[in-house]
Amino acid sequence: EVQLVQSGAEVKKPGESLKISCKGSGYSFTRNWVGWVRQMPGKGLEWMGIIYPGDSDTRYSPSFQGQVTISADKSITTAYLQWSSLKASDTAMYYCARQGREYSSSPHDAFDMWGQGTMVTVSS
Amino acid sequence: EIVLTQSPGTLSLSPGERVTLSCTASQSIYSNFLAWHQQKPGQAPRLLIYGASSRATGIPDRFSGSGSGTDFTLTISRLEPEDFAMYYCQQYGNLPLTFGGGTTVEI
Repeated sequence: EVQLVQSGAEVKKPGESLKISCKGSGYSFTRNWVGWVRQMPGKGLEWMGIIYPGDSDTRYSPSFQGQVTISADKSITTAYLQWSSLKASDTAMYYCARQGREYSSSPHDAFDMWGQGTMVTVSS
Repeated sequence: EIVLTQSPGTLSLSPGERVTLSCTASQSIYSNFLAWHQQKPGQAPRLLIYGASSRATGIPDRFSGSGSGTDFTLTISRLEPEDFAMYYCQQYGNLPLTFGGGTTVEI
């Protein structure tokens, strides 16, 4: 069974750093792009960026470029989203999602599998 | 950036009714790379439709997608109680990938 399992909820203070994870299983992790999507409380979905674990090719939304870092460790089939200095406005649910096409050189496919989400709360 | 506008914002309907959701793009979507996702409260989104009109694995045939270029539609032929949810369109033809603002289908 194809699964993306995300790390648990986090409560952090402004200025702290954070790295959340998304572990893929049931498929060849290096063959599919994995993206991150933000959902602020009561709001819609926003694409943040995406990585191809096979070669770590990473693309960011202009809205999130420089604000977060996306990485992957293919040896443990895990993708990451990290912040170096959190803000209260980073409070949101974060989802990872896999694109369905294998061996694609560019991230132009639908998200066919989603993680369960990681809630990040940033509050002093 | 391609902006996706979904309408209406909210639909109030009853089980058994037919519903049509609209998604309009600010420019033509390459190869009709348009998907629809369903999200229920407290759950992750789920892919319903990709390529504007292809149903994802396990999606009932009461869900159908159509459209091309800038205008796309998701139709639910006969609403079931479990279909009351939020629906998002998403384009994946151009970077940055973008989502519409969503349509709520409520009882």
